[in-house]
Amino acid sequence: EAGVAQSPRYKIIEKRQSVAFWCNPISGHATLYWYQQILGQGPKLLIQFQNNGVVDDSQLPKDRFSAERLKGVDSTLKIQPAKLEDSAVYLCASSPNRGGSGWFFGPGTRLTVL
Amino acid sequence: GDSVTQMEGPVTLSEEAFLTINCTYTATGYPSLFWYVQYPGEGLQLLLKATKADDKGSNKGFEATYRKETTSFHLEKGSVQVSDSAVYFCALSPPDQAGTALIFGKGTTLSVSS
Repeated sequence: EAGVAQSPRYKIIEKRQSVAFWCNPISGHATLYWYQQILGQGPKLLIQFQNNGVVDDSQLPKDRFSAERLKGVDSTLKIQPAKLEDSAVYLCASSPNRGGSGWFFGPGTRLTVL
Repeated sequence: GDSVTQMEGPVTLSEEAFLTINCTYTATGYPSLFWYVQYPGEGLQLLLKATKADDKGSNKGFEATYRKETTSFHLEKGSVQVSDSAVYFCALSPPDQAGTALIFGKGTTLSVSS
């Protein structure tokens, strides 16, 4: 079974630029999560989707971050414009049934904002 | 709100030494508890879990016991190997919010030398 796929693996941008990350969850997984992991900290939830609907986006900085999950499969997270403090690893995870059977994490995208 | 506190790292050990990484949690009710491991360059992987008080999770020689009275879930291994070098995250899934994303501690870096 293929795991959660993410791309790109690494990205370096200047502040105020835009960036987008892509995630393809495990086939059949209805729930998809985006986490932000700042160096030295644990992952923090940004947004949770159930199929193509948003379940929780209370910690998403909506003035600059946006995410979508069209057709309830893959998802895109965008930052526009980026700030220095957005430097982090962005993790995507999926679950077949909102965590009841576990969470499966992708390798992450490491973003550096200069 | 619910939270997880882990011991500060890094933890540096010699091969075959005994490992303990402390984890305590704050939550109402009885959350499910997890240990995740992140090897260099890889995504988060579930190491072990426990879903109710006094449960013991175990995997790959690692163990952790869900202690309700001390709200703890300490990770232990009797004899560490160089290949155990990684970052370890304690996490919980809130009991009264089924399907909510995991809440992570800050992580503890383990470095094992031969």
